[in-house]
Amino acid sequence: EVQLVESGGGLVQPGGSLRLSCSASGFTFSRYAMHWVRQAPGKGLEYVSVISTNGEIIYHADSVKGRFTISRDNSKSTLYLQMSSLRVEDTAVYYCVKDMWSRVSSSGPFDSWGQGTLVTVSS
Amino acid sequence: QSALTQPRSVSGSPGQSVTISCTGSSSYIDYYKYVSWYQQLPGKAPKLMVYDVSERPSGVPDRFSGSKSGSTASLTISGLQAEDEADYYCCSYVGNYRVIFGGGTKVTVL
Repeated sequence: EVQLVESGGGLVQPGGSLRLSCSASGFTFSRYAMHWVRQAPGKGLEYVSVISTNGEIIYHADSVKGRFTISRDNSKSTLYLQMSSLRVEDTAVYYCVKDMWSRVSSSGPFDSWGQGTLVTVSS
Repeated sequence: QSALTQPRSVSGSPGQSVTISCTGSSSYIDYYKYVSWYQQLPGKAPKLMVYDVSERPSGVPDRFSGSKSGSTASLTISGLQAEDEADYYCCSYVGNYRVIFGGGTKVTVL
């Protein structure tokens, strides 16, 4: 059974930094592109980032470009999201998401989601 | 405002059918074969219900079906059940690694 467990969320002041982690199990992590999707309280889903299987292809949405960095450690089956220069509007539940297709680079669909970790940016 | 437009809400009685539309810009039309739909129950993570416009992952009831006509994709829930009450999001790959979601539709079972 696929399991994605996020951690690292919490309360941070505007301008601060936070690193989210996602521990994956139940599938061969190194064979799938991985994504982050976020959801502000009471709002819809927003696509954040993707990283290819080998980490060579990375995309960040315009809203986080230059502030967030996605990375992965295939030896640890772990996905990361380093967030810096955080803004109030970054407040959201951040979901770690597995791509459906086993290929180097893919942009969905998303067949497994973690339970999410809440990031709150507030003074 | 999302580039994929969904109605804010739809409703139906148990046993009825409801259809959720998802309309996008004509510039995305080349990517419309990559439309997917996600169900989000209250307080839960989203779940993939339909991908590549009309394909269902294993385990998803065949009451859920997807289709596309022109620049509008649709998700139809036939034989509506109480447990179908949730938020539904359409999603599309639109090139250059960019993925967009619709604003979401709340389905209410009367």
